[in-house]
Amino acid sequence: GEDVEQSLFLSVREGDSSVINCTYTDSSSTYLYWYKQEPGAGLQLLTYIFSNMDMKQDQRLTVLLNKKDKHLSLRIADTQTGDSAIYFCAMAGTFNKFYFGSGTKLNVKP
Amino acid sequence: DGGITQSPKYLFRKEGQNVTLSCEQNLNHDAMYWYRQDPGQGLRLIYYSQIVNDFQKGDIAEGYSVSREKKESFPLTVTSAQKNPTAFYLCASSIAALDTGELFFGEGSRLTVL
Repeated sequence: GEDVEQSLFLSVREGDSSVINCTYTDSSSTYLYWYKQEPGAGLQLLTYIFSNMDMKQDQRLTVLLNKKDKHLSLRIADTQTGDSAIYFCAMAGTFNKFYFGSGTKLNVKP
Repeated sequence: DGGITQSPKYLFRKEGQNVTLSCEQNLNHDAMYWYRQDPGQGLRLIYYSQIVNDFQKGDIAEGYSVSREKKESFPLTVTSAQKNPTAFYLCASSIAALDTGELFFGEGSRLTVL
């Protein structure tokens, strides 16, 4: 199956930008996703990018996709304490199976 | 409101007991999934179902069983054969055809084996 990797922790100060990175092994996924998980809750879709795009901007969020290097990143501008959560990159494989990274825990310090 | 409901939110079990986690959705989604989440390991797929009365093993199906008798329901049984069942379990659903392919998640069930 798909191998999706992320670093486990990121700590930033409020107002700074956060960049969360993800690398993957299989590039056949049509879409690549970023999910957010609040403590003790399920995951919610944050944003996604079509595989033939290299950038997508959505308010404070910027997704960059480098297909050659199999690298996906999520940039959060003007990070707020409410952005503290675990962020997962994910991609869809065959038969609607989804593969998730290990999650990056973002800690935003006031 | 449409969504996915998991119950119970917290569950304690003695070793050797089977437990069943409930997952119900009213989104009219064809596909449903069970994931296990352990700290630092992300989500691992246990079982998934694309259609009623059909389901497939995921990456870590050993010690688990599921049924899909109704479109809206996909219960997961954690059997005594599961060697390390303490974890956070997440149920999800999606439309069968890949559109944006968004997964909708429940709030999770935390199982602790005493």
